[in-house]
Amino acid sequence: DVKVTQSSRYLVKRTGEKVFLECVQDMDHENMFWYRQDPGLGLRLIYFSYDVKMKEKGDIPEGYSVSREKKERFSLILESASTNQTSMYLCASRAQGRGHSYEQYFGPGTRLTVT
Amino acid sequence: DQQVKQNSPSLSVQEGRISILNCDYTNSMFDYFLWYKKYPAEGPTFLISISSIKDKNEDGRFTVFLNKSAKHLSLHIVPSQPGDSAVYFCAASARRDMRFGAGTRLTVKP
Repeated sequence: DVKVTQSSRYLVKRTGEKVFLECVQDMDHENMFWYRQDPGLGLRLIYFSYDVKMKEKGDIPEGYSVSREKKERFSLILESASTNQTSMYLCASRAQGRGHSYEQYFGPGTRLTVT
Repeated sequence: DQQVKQNSPSLSVQEGRISILNCDYTNSMFDYFLWYKKYPAEGPTFLISISSIKDKNEDGRFTVFLNKSAKHLSLHIVPSQPGDSAVYFCAASARRDMRFGAGTRLTVKP
């Protein structure tokens, strides 16, 4: 059974702290994604990675960085958390290549509050 | 600038009737379209998809229609059931990335 796990369901951090959000998938998927979900804005793509050590900016990369050292793990880093980064963060993974669908599998999400 | 738009934030229908959710996109490079369903406190789950070479795909009560010339797709749910109440996201993909709309909250009343 497909599984994407995220390190925390709820997280509270202070302004200026460095924050790490971890995502692990067990499906040997090449592609991994980080989104944030905000009311009225839906899911906005922050970064994605199409292979180990490869990354591309999404629509809202400012204030974030990512790391993909191993195929199964994709980390989102907030270098200096700010209150406008309070949001629900969702990680997803997807197989790449011929014969694979475009379907993404999502983790349960991390609700981050920055105070 | 959102490349995928769902202009109706909410929709309410009676149990047994048809639900129609709409989605528009701007990027002509998108070649695959998906619908996801999301319950509170859970990640989105895949519902149904369609390739740009087709104009219709059906799976049980769910049908997705694609109008490429209008850059428009829709999801039909027939008959609607109370368990279908959730937020529905439209998504579009071009090569490696994936973009989502803002979502439509569907409420199916018994």
